[in-house]
Order: sequence, then C-alpha cells, then structure tokens
Amino acid sequence: EAGVTQFPSHSVIEKGQTVTLRCDPISGHDNLYWYRRVMGKEIKFLLHFVKESKQDESGMPNNRFLAERTGGTYSTLKVQPAELEDSGVYFCASSKRIFMTAPIRTDTQYFGPGTRLTVL
Amino acid sequence: GENVEQHPSTLSVQEGDSAVIKCTYSDSASNYFPWYKQELGKRPQLIIDIRSNVGEKKDQRIAVTLNKTAKHFSLHITETQPEDSAVYFCAASIGNTDKLIFGTGTRLQVFP
Repeated sequence: EAGVTQFPSHSVIEKGQTVTLRCDPISGHDNLYWYRRVMGKEIKFLLHFVKESKQDESGMPNNRFLAERTGGTYSTLKVQPAELEDSGVYFCASSKRIFMTAPIRTDTQYFGPGTRLTVL
Repeated sequence: GENVEQHPSTLSVQEGDSAVIKCTYSDSASNYFPWYKQELGKRPQLIIDIRSNVGEKKDQRIAVTLNKTAKHFSLHITETQPEDSAVYFCAASIGNTDKLIFGTGTRLQVFP
C-alpha cells in the first residue's frame, strides 16, 4: 500500500509570493488532515477534510491560507501571499474512517513526509 | 485552550538503558493518545497508541501508560538501541473528536 505523499518536499519563496502544497492521501482514506510544525515547536493542527468537505478548519492561521480537496481525493494548501512566519514543515495525514459510535473512534492517522516551506 | 506538555525536550541514554518520556494533557474528554516517532528527514510514524478505556499497552520494547485521573501518559522504551534515536511526539485527541494536539517533541539519542 502506497503511503501519503506530498509535493514538493521543499519550497523556498520570497515574502509576498504564492505557494501551493499538494497532498495525496492513502487510497480509500476519507479523512485528510493538514498540520504544520514551526521550528522547534509542536505539530499544530490546521484543518480536517472528510472526503471533499471541510470538517474542521479551526487551526487555519488566517485567510491567506486556502485548502481544497476537490473530488475528495488529493488536497492542496495554498498560501497567498506568503509571510515570513509561514515558514515551517507542513504535514498531511490521512485516516480511513470514523467509527460513529460513542465515544467516536478514528483509525490511525498516517503522515506524509512533509513539505519544508521557507519564506525569505 | 487545550494543550499537551511533553518532557523532557532532549534525552540521552546509553544503549541498553531505558528511556521514559512523559506528557500531560488538559482536556479531560480526550480519549485517544498516539505516540509518533520521527527519524531525521523522515515522516512521523505511529509507534504505539492507547485509548482511554485502557491503562497500559505494550508492544515488544515499547509500552505506554495512561493515568486519566492525573491526565498524563508516558512512553517507556526498554533495552534502547541506537536505531531508537529520533524525535518522539505524543498527542491527545481533542475531546470526542479525531483532531490531535501534539506535544513539542523529545529528541532521544541512544549512544552505543
């Protein structure tokens, strides 16, 4: 089974430019998550898709960030315009399904290798 | 807001010794606690997880304990090997959801 893939692995851009990150989840995984790790800090939740719908986008820093998952397969995360504080490693993760029984249980979240974004 | 604290930030042990990493969480409704290992340049990989209806779980040299009353959980690695060297992240679910909050990570170095 192929794992979660992300593209590009690295991106260096100047402040004010636009960058689009892509994530391909494991085939058949309905849940897709975006996380970000800023240097030396914790991995922070950004948002969660269930298929093509945004389930929770409470972690998105501001309206310069736009995530999409058209068709419920791969997802893109666009940063426009990029600022210095957007630098970090952006991880994508996917999981199979949510068990809709109380308490709600989810499958393991499998992480991609991350995209290291550097904004100069 | 909810948070997860993780200690220590760095840990150095001699090969064969045990390593313990501790995390505390704030949300009493959290019910899922995974541990991820991230080797240099690689993706975070799940090594063990525990749910709130269990107090301890073991998988070969790795074990996790959970104290719901005190809201803390720990990772125990016995008979450490150099290939255990990595950054370890604990995480806790936010309440009854599948959203995870992560600790800041522990860099473990195992010296031969």
